Amino acid sequence: AQSVTQLDSHVSVSEGTPVLLRCNYSSSYSPSLFWYVQHPNKGLQLLLKYTSAATLVKGINGFEAEFKKSETSFHLTKPSAHMSDAAEYFCGNAGGTSYGKLTFGQGTILTVHP
Amino acid sequence: NAGVTQTPKFQVLKTGQSMTLQCAQDMNHEYMSWYRQDPGMGLRLIHYSVGAGITDQGEVPNGYNVSRSTTEDFPLRLLSAAPSQTSVYFCASSYAGLAEETQYFGPGTRLLVL
Repeated sequence: AQSVTQLDSHVSVSEGTPVLLRCNYSSSYSPSLFWYVQHPNKGLQLLLKYTSAATLVKGINGFEAEFKKSETSFHLTKPSAHMSDAAEYFCGNAGGTSYGKLTFGQGTILTVHP
Repeated sequence: NAGVTQTPKFQVLKTGQSMTLQCAQDMNHEYMSWYRQDPGMGLRLIHYSVGAGITDQGEVPNGYNVSRSTTEDFPLRLLSAAPSQTSVYFCASSYAGLAEETQYFGPGTRLLVL
């Protein structure tokens, strides 16, 4: 069985400051980890994914995430937040499944203050 | 290339009514799936399909039926709607459904059951 835990339901930052969204996973198999972003009343857009290649994964819009097996974590970071980053972020794991059945975390709402 | 499309965007039903949520993709993807999104619970898998004529249950299948007669379409049927089915529904697709593949999401259908 696999599970995904997003450690913060809400994160608030000021524009120009770093962003850290935390995600822990548990999986009996090698994980395939994803971060998606959802802007209000929109669908989910892929930010980045880890599939057993480089442990530091770079995504779109300046986001990146580091896979740490020893900590079972896949935290999402960005050096400098922009107002347009305000959205809900979902961490997902499809590892160990015959087909890509994503298990999602509960989501983290990112608020960016001017 | 429209990607994944969903109709309707918004629907209000009365308890006991039936309806079909439509999902179509034009990327020739074999794998399609339906998720529901509820506050604080992330997205949960309802049903999925690995190709025309093949479907299987996800995490929360009760109250929903699916069929896959063509590669392009994957409708989700509510036979007798209940207030607990009030949610936002997302359809997703990927090329072959492998764990490391990106899944592409539609814009969602907001369903309110009174």
